[in-house]
Amino acid sequence: DAKTTQPTSMDCAEGRAANLPCNHSTISGNEYVYWYRQIHSQGPQYIIHGLKNNETNEMASLIITEDRKSSTLILPHATLRDTAVYYCIVRVARGYSTLTFGKGTMLLVSP
Amino acid sequence: GAVVSQHPSRVICKSGTSVKIECRSLDFQATTMFWYRQFPKQSLMLMATSNEGSKATYEQGVEKDKFLINHASLTLSTLTVTSAHPEDSSFYICSAMTPGQGLYNEQFFGPGTRLTVL
Repeated sequence: DAKTTQPTSMDCAEGRAANLPCNHSTISGNEYVYWYRQIHSQGPQYIIHGLKNNETNEMASLIITEDRKSSTLILPHATLRDTAVYYCIVRVARGYSTLTFGKGTMLLVSP
Repeated sequence: GAVVSQHPSRVICKSGTSVKIECRSLDFQATTMFWYRQFPKQSLMLMATSNEGSKATYEQGVEKDKFLINHASLTLSTLTVTSAHPEDSSFYICSAMTPGQGLYNEQFFGPGTRLTVL
């Protein structure tokens, strides 16, 4: 699986949009971009994934650049409960490939 | 999303004892489950991949005789830490993979088990 690069930490004010970047310049054509988050002392939680089109669900939006070498996870209205480590992972969706976690971005949402 | 449970959520044991952790997929059948370990302030590290009815596949550096994995049914996998020592103290997390629907095989994670070995 391709490697990803994320900032170590980010801050965001409550109610504002949180934009979390991820670089994956070596991504292959059959690899998807996945985002998970881990709140302290809990298991990871799936957020969203995409291949090349922008995706949106009830939790977040995922913007993938046209060359697919980077992406941004957007939490439109961050709350204190969004404070967590966010992991960007590239993975082949077909078959049974596992998820390889990097260090992620620690997002701190403040009042 | 699919629900995965783990039991116990927290366990404290004496050095030299064995501890069993259960991972269950509650609303789907999981032919493949994964076990991860996470030390403080570190990321999740995959320990092993467990397929129902067959032997688990361990990652390099993980002792298969120390971390016994049994995946006897499509909804249950167990991890037994044998002869636990303080250095085995960690956060153990399982995940279960949903059966393929079209192209996708998604992973859902359990809440984790905090193991403390005294």
